[in-house]
Amino acid sequence: RKEVEQDPGPFNVPEGATVAFNCTYSNSASQSFFWYRQDCRKEPKLLMSVYSSGNEDGRFTAQLNRASQYISLLIRDSKLSDSATYLCVVDPVGNEKLTFGTGTRLTIIP
Amino acid sequence: NAGVTQTPKFRILKIGQSMTLQCAQDMNHNYMYWYRQDPGMGLKLIYYSVGAGITDKGEVPNGYNVSRSTTEDFPLRLELAAPSQTSVYFCASKNSGGQGYEQYFGPGTRLTVT
Repeated sequence: RKEVEQDPGPFNVPEGATVAFNCTYSNSASQSFFWYRQDCRKEPKLLMSVYSSGNEDGRFTAQLNRASQYISLLIRDSKLSDSATYLCVVDPVGNEKLTFGTGTRLTIIP
Repeated sequence: NAGVTQTPKFRILKIGQSMTLQCAQDMNHNYMYWYRQDPGMGLKLIYYSVGAGITDKGEVPNGYNVSRSTTEDFPLRLELAAPSQTSVYFCASKNSGGQGYEQYFGPGTRLTVT
């Protein structure tokens, strides 16, 4: 089983719709989780950290489910500018390296 | 802060040539990383360092070398370039203070080997 697994997509979603991605992780001791965004031919950038209680930042909501070992990202009222690849990232305990998923590609259609 | 900087932005190499990709960070991060990303694929870790004088292999180290003589700099060396090394190379750094710290990426170097 891969350490971090994501549906690669692509997800083609009409503008204004709500879209959700899940990501599963294998190390149950992992403590920190992130969602990164990567635009075409650009470097990955932090979108948001994922906290145990769940967190929201504008149209974006991140959730953590430790029992089932997955994190989720919900995007409401999607915009054309949300088109990107979304990377699920896990910080295993005692490891200097973050583990990156291969990404979910999202395209918002006008 | 400039964050993580990389030079050059683009480079074309002939097979068998050598080059060094430069990476520097001004955030006093102990942890630094080199990744490659092939078109349409995920990040693959080449080498990483947890501090000056300490380096370790990632999942795809063959054909590359690194050094870490200072906290700020982490150059990646390609000794005998091969077409399979055509890729985008990202350098990154991270605070070593424990859990919950994000990783910052440089803008990348686009390398073509022909």
